[in-house]
Amino acid sequence: EAGVTQFPSHSVIEKGQTVTLRCDPISGHDNLYWYRRVMGKEIKFLLHFVKESKQDESGMPNNRFLAERTGGTYSTLKVQPAELEDSGVYFCASSQDPRHSGANVLTFGAGSRLTVL
Amino acid sequence: AQTVTQSQPEMSVQEAETVTLSCTYDTSESNYYLFWYKQPPSRQMILVIRQEAYKQQNATENRFSVNFQKAAKSFSLKISDSQLGDTAMYFCAFMNSGDSGNTPLVFGKGTRLSVIA
Repeated sequence: EAGVTQFPSHSVIEKGQTVTLRCDPISGHDNLYWYRRVMGKEIKFLLHFVKESKQDESGMPNNRFLAERTGGTYSTLKVQPAELEDSGVYFCASSQDPRHSGANVLTFGAGSRLTVL
Repeated sequence: AQTVTQSQPEMSVQEAETVTLSCTYDTSESNYYLFWYKQPPSRQMILVIRQEAYKQQNATENRFSVNFQKAAKSFSLKISDSQLGDTAMYFCAFMNSGDSGNTPLVFGKGTRLSVIA
């Protein structure tokens, strides 16, 4: 089966610009997560979708970040306007319905590296 | 709040030798999962091994095994017969399992492992 796909793999933008990251989860995976790793620090949770609904968005840093999941399929994460501290690698992950045994195993994408200059 | 600590930022090992990566965590919960993820250079993060806290037996996956010490809150990863393809960033992660579902993964900062020919 196809894995979790993220686009773009690398984006370089200037401070104040807008960037939209996209994640295509594994087909049939209800759970979709966004994480971020700032250089040299831990990978931090941003938010969790169950289908099209935001289950937990406690990790979103501020209102410059907007995540959507259209129809419970792919998800986008938009940063507007971007700041220098937003630089890092943004990971998307998906997992099956919690009622299945695999709900606690996340499959990750390769990440989208964002560089804000 | 749960925390995960990986005290070794970088490690190296000779090909065919054995190496152990350390991980400790802090939680007041009794039901949880522990994971080791591996991210090779420029590639996606993949699951190496997982352990359910209620299981006393240490998980094993081919050359990868863990030493799970629940009382000490320690979860080290042992890689036997190291191969060049094991070169990667290794992340230890924790997930709480509660009645309302699984919580987001909490990651350590990672250990960069280099396997030397």
